[in-house]
Amino acid sequence: DAKTTQPPSMDCAEGRAANLPCNHSTISGNEYVYWYRQIHSQGPQYIIHGLKNNETNEMASLIITEDRKSSTLILPHATLRDTAVYYCIVRGLIQGAQKLVFGQGTRLTINP
Amino acid sequence: DVKVTQSSRYLVKRTGEKVFLECVQDMDHENMFWYRQDPGLGLRLIYFSYDVKMKEKGDIPEGYSVSREKKERFSLILESASTNQTSMYLCASTVGGQDYGYTFGSGTRLTVV
Repeated sequence: DAKTTQPPSMDCAEGRAANLPCNHSTISGNEYVYWYRQIHSQGPQYIIHGLKNNETNEMASLIITEDRKSSTLILPHATLRDTAVYYCIVRGLIQGAQKLVFGQGTRLTINP
Repeated sequence: DVKVTQSSRYLVKRTGEKVFLECVQDMDHENMFWYRQDPGLGLRLIYFSYDVKMKEKGDIPEGYSVSREKKERFSLILESASTNQTSMYLCASTVGGQDYGYTFGSGTRLTVV
């Protein structure tokens, strides 16, 4: 599985866009990039995923570089409820089940 | 809303006890997973299952076993609980294929005393 590198922590002002970077330089051609977040004392929550095109949903946008070696998760208008640990994951396939390998993630703090 | 339900939010057990952690999903998902989460170590995969009665070891299976007799239920068993198994346990499920994310339960915080 490709390893990911994320900054351990970031701050963002409420109402501003939060841009969370992720490096995954060893990603292989058929691996997707997934983003999850974990709010304190809850299970991780799926946010978005992509292969090589940029993606957008009601929660966030995902920008993947052309060489696919890095990506950025964008929360366009951050709120206090977006304070969480954000995980960037490259998904590997093992014996018919998709195995998610979590790194340490980025602790995002949204400040009022 | 799809759901993954873990039977207990908090659990306290004694060393040496046999402990069952239950997880039920209502989404007809093929794949189910058990993770544990510890400070500084992140989420680590214990076991997973891609079909009824099928199970595969994850990264840290020692001291654990699992059971999947029905598609919707995946149980994690601590045969003889030890204090180093004090942790947050998270169950997740997903349908097959690359295009679907995991759905996680809310977690069970197990303390072994």
